[in-house]
Amino acid sequence: AQTVTQSQPEMSVQEAETVTLSCTYDTSESDYYLFWYKQPPSRQMILVIRQEAYKQQNATENRFSVNFQKAAKSFSLKISDSQLGDAAMYFCAYRRRNSGYALNFGKGTSLLVTP
Amino acid sequence: GAVVSQHPSWVICKSGTSVKIECRSLDFQATTMFWYRQFPKQSLMLMATSNEGSKATYEQGVEKDKFLINHASLTLSTLTVTSAHPEDSSFYICSARDQAGSGNTIYFGEGSWLTVV
Repeated sequence: AQTVTQSQPEMSVQEAETVTLSCTYDTSESDYYLFWYKQPPSRQMILVIRQEAYKQQNATENRFSVNFQKAAKSFSLKISDSQLGDAAMYFCAYRRRNSGYALNFGKGTSLLVTP
Repeated sequence: GAVVSQHPSWVICKSGTSVKIECRSLDFQATTMFWYRQFPKQSLMLMATSNEGSKATYEQGVEKDKFLINHASLTLSTLTVTSAHPEDSSFYICSARDQAGSGNTIYFGEGSWLTVV
């Protein structure tokens, strides 16, 4: 079974600064997808960024980028120029490539953004 | 863009009663939907995979007779919590797979709060 570990229950960042959220995973598969989801107080799950394991290039979406280290099974999320609206729970998730498309989530990291 | 809608957003029911939560894909067909459960300050735990026209696939430890899933059409999956008890109180989230194009994108519903009193 695949496990996703987020070792930081809470993180804090000052507005306009950069913060990195950690995620490690365990799998015996070679082809899979990794995701970061944001869950604000509204509880709506919002896809932040997605990485395909067979792609070496790290995914980037505006202020959000990942550091994907396949050998180390590490998938961290970097948020640059943090904004107050970035405050939320962030979940790292894993999915096998040829699976039923169910996601396996980590326990989440609560991000606080201070003015 | 594609939207997945859940209804109701929140519901309160008495112990021993049953409650149904709907998950609809509004502008795409979803042969596969997923039901998750999220306790306060915890992660999303997959309960079951809902397959249109066939039986749902339940995760280990999830009682299929207690959490009935029906996926009778390509746009609707329902989760019925039967004989609800206070420990069933939780936030339930569905997601649906949009197979159109090459993205196979997953969209999440807004979630449903269930409180059993």
